[in-house]
Amino acid sequence: SYELTQPPSVSVALGQTARINCDGKDLGHKNVHWYQQKPGQAPVLVIYRDSNRPSGIPERFSGFELGNTATLTISRVQAGDEAVFYCQVWDSTVVFGGGTKLTVL
Amino acid sequence: QVQLQESGPGLVKASETLSLTCTVSGGSINNYYWNWIRQPPGKGLEWVGYIYHSGTTNYNPSFKSRVAMSVDTSKNQFSLKLTSVTAADTAVYYCAKDESGSGYSGMDVWGQGTTVTVSS
Repeated sequence: SYELTQPPSVSVALGQTARINCDGKDLGHKNVHWYQQKPGQAPVLVIYRDSNRPSGIPERFSGFELGNTATLTISRVQAGDEAVFYCQVWDSTVVFGGGTKLTVL
Repeated sequence: QVQLQESGPGLVKASETLSLTCTVSGGSINNYYWNWIRQPPGKGLEWVGYIYHSGTTNYNPSFKSRVAMSVDTSKNQFSLKLTSVTAADTAVYYCAKDESGSGYSGMDVWGQGTTVTVSS
């Protein structure tokens, strides 16, 4: 079965730029979506189809894909951005990455 | 704005059947794919499957023959049944909307989630 690999954790200083990677075979041929999940809350779609932001998601969130790696970038990180981020693709079924906990220092 | 609300028993006995319903409000159930996703305590997201308004389904093979989904368009609801549950099925269960059944769009609306505990 298809697998997506994410680092378990990423730390970033307040106001700096956070980058969260998602690795998968032939990822460049798939549409990658990203979700943010804060403690006790449902996930929220923050990037769809690699680099598109849904309505209401700040421009500080952006997505990029190259080769076998998709990257979620959060610019000017705020304390409220602390959350677990999941990447997701379709490979005959829905596949989620294991999630990356973003810590703001 | 579409909203989703999960409902169902919070406690299910081992070996019995877990049954949940998701009610769609603020929009029609037609022309979208309706997903169930679960999250065991302290763990990541796991996709259970989806159902289209026509009744077409796609399930995670990990659940083999234990899962069944149905849709009631007259009530704007869709449902999940998971049979022969064990403690490993204890999780928060979410329903979510997707405009595509092939990964084109992402799941843009989620319910708040409902906690299901399997007791022995």
